[in-house]
Amino acid sequence: DAGVTQSPTHLIKTRGQQVTLRCSPKSGHDTVSWYQQALGQGPQFIFQYYEEEERQRGNFPDRFSGHQFPNYSSELNVNALLLGDSALYLCASSERGAFNQPQHFGDGTRLSIL
Amino acid sequence: RKEVEQDPGPFNVPEGATVAFNCTYSNSASQSFFWYRQDCRKEPKLLMSVYSSGNEDGRFTAQLNRASQYISLLIRDSKLSDSATYLCVVTTGGRSSASKIIFGSGTRLSIRP
Repeated sequence: DAGVTQSPTHLIKTRGQQVTLRCSPKSGHDTVSWYQQALGQGPQFIFQYYEEEERQRGNFPDRFSGHQFPNYSSELNVNALLLGDSALYLCASSERGAFNQPQHFGDGTRLSIL
Repeated sequence: RKEVEQDPGPFNVPEGATVAFNCTYSNSASQSFFWYRQDCRKEPKLLMSVYSSGNEDGRFTAQLNRASQYISLLIRDSKLSDSATYLCVVTTGGRSSASKIIFGSGTRLSIRP
């Protein structure tokens, strides 16, 4: 049973660049949520994709955008990178677009901005 | 005031001890509650859901107090392997467009031999 997979594992970028992170949900899941986790903090919700649409969005600027594909996999894009975007980016999958179900997390992508 | 608050710890307790920590939430309309465990530099993993009637899973007991707006986690007979950060999660809104999911900043627990 394939769990949530994310790529790449680590990434180093410089300010102003753009980045794309990828996520494949757990088998049987159709909903993907993205989180940003800064050191010493809990994950902060960025947005959720269900049925190929952004359904919910947290308090993140438009520089953060995403996409969900017909096979339920998802991408997170961040434009005009800032030093403060350095964090662990976590993808989580669940079912039927609801938050009231457990989130299954991938290992994350550790993004460093120089 | 943060929407979900946890004591960051660290809680440093001996093996075999009982330890408990709370998580308070500010939105009285919150609907679902969870405890996740996160090991250092790893992803969060679901520990248990928290039901209104309280629930127990082996050495772990979770309680919900809606009147005072907090959830709790009790760990009995603690093991070295329980050392981790425990994240409290609160959701509101079900599947509506206004639904939210909020993670606490976590409570660090360290079990010493």
